[in-house]
Amino acid sequence: EAQVTQNPRYLITVTGKKLTVTCSQNMNHEYMSWYRQDPGLGLRQIYYSMNVEVTDKGDVPEGYKVSRKEKRNFPLILESPSPNQTSLYFCASSPRYSGANVLTFGAGSRLTVL
Amino acid sequence: KQEVTQIPAALSVPEGENLVLNCSFTDSAIYNLQWFRQDPGKGLTSLLLIQSSQREQTSGRLNASLDKSSGRSTLYIAASQPGDSATYLCAALYNAGNNRKLIWGLGTSLAVNP
Repeated sequence: EAQVTQNPRYLITVTGKKLTVTCSQNMNHEYMSWYRQDPGLGLRQIYYSMNVEVTDKGDVPEGYKVSRKEKRNFPLILESPSPNQTSLYFCASSPRYSGANVLTFGAGSRLTVL
Repeated sequence: KQEVTQIPAALSVPEGENLVLNCSFTDSAIYNLQWFRQDPGKGLTSLLLIQSSQREQTSGRLNASLDKSSGRSTLYIAASQPGDSATYLCAALYNAGNNRKLIWGLGTSLAVNP
């Protein structure tokens, strides 16, 4: 089944404890992106990647890192999480971001930072 | 500033009703307009994508229209069913340098009552 898989789905952690949210897609998509969703603010893009080794900042990149060493994986790294990073996170991918291709989303990862 | 607004924020209807969800965008220079469905714990699912050169798209009981000149899109759901209960998000895609950027609405939370 073609899908985007995120792990963990739920995580409660404490301030300052490094964590990684993994994202993997099995559709050979070139484009991948991370979003966070917050009440009243909607979805906001954190980082995106056009292809392997090509990443760029979205609208809210502060406090996050990403890497794209393989086409299928696009992990989101929180080096020192803070409570304001408590949010619902989504990873998405598409074949090439020409605009004509729809995004396929993962099921989301709900992160709570205490 | 590019913004997307969805009205109403919440809607509750009896089963069988035809209904319309509204989406407006401030910048008419969109590349395309997309409608998504969000179910708790299941991520986002793409419903319809309307290119800027198109007026509407249809999929089953769903019909989405686009009027660039007025900055509006509507999602029409015919003969609503309890399984249609979800949050519906619209997103406008714009060119942004070498990237393309999705601007999201906050969604309409729909409850279809048996």
